[in-house]
Amino acid sequence: DQQVKQNSPSLSVQEGRISILNCDYTNSMFDYFLWYKKYPAEGPTFLISISSIKDKNEDGRFTVFLNKSAKHLSLHIVPSQPGDSAVYFCAASATGSQGNLIFGKGTKLSVKP
Amino acid sequence: ETGVTQSPTHLIKTRGQQVTLRCSSQSGHNTVSWYQQALGQGPQFIFQYYREEENGRGNFPPRFSGLQFPNYSSELNVNALELDDSALYLCASSLGQYNTEAFFGQGTRLTVV
Repeated sequence: DQQVKQNSPSLSVQEGRISILNCDYTNSMFDYFLWYKKYPAEGPTFLISISSIKDKNEDGRFTVFLNKSAKHLSLHIVPSQPGDSAVYFCAASATGSQGNLIFGKGTKLSVKP
Repeated sequence: ETGVTQSPTHLIKTRGQQVTLRCSSQSGHNTVSWYQQALGQGPQFIFQYYREEENGRGNFPPRFSGLQFPNYSSELNVNALELDDSALYLCASSLGQYNTEAFFGQGTRLTVV
């Protein structure tokens, strides 16, 4: 049973437009959420995180939105750049879980020039 | 400040053999977690070490074991290798056990034949 779901395996966006990547979770104990970007042959790179006490966190072109009632979070990238093309993973953890990050299966983002 | 480094980057082993993977954590980080990423999946939590003690474990059998050293570097050992152990093994370090960003190494690609 997947606790973190990324239902879109892939997403294609034009350069300069907004990319919206979605993530749903089922475990109401999750209270910390992270997004990672992964290029082929590299480890995941931390992008941005959000605590459950917030509903929005922004860092440059990246914004994460959290809707606790819907158990849904999204990552917005504005404007999208070709270098953003990668696989994006959503991850969640619960206080006391000893760092057990639960990952989704990832969404492959392609930003076309 | 050095990042997380893993060795080796690639490895081929025969079924039934044993393997040791190594990880140097990011400077100042006292927590190391190991993940297994199969093709097309998100990383899956194996276990976490905090100040040289295992303090969290995912759904992996006892033939997956580890160590953390006083300098916070870590090893992952897998005994009696099976074909399904073929995967990318990722090490992540963090400052603290949970609700904090984990920074990943580039991974070790293990192939069991």
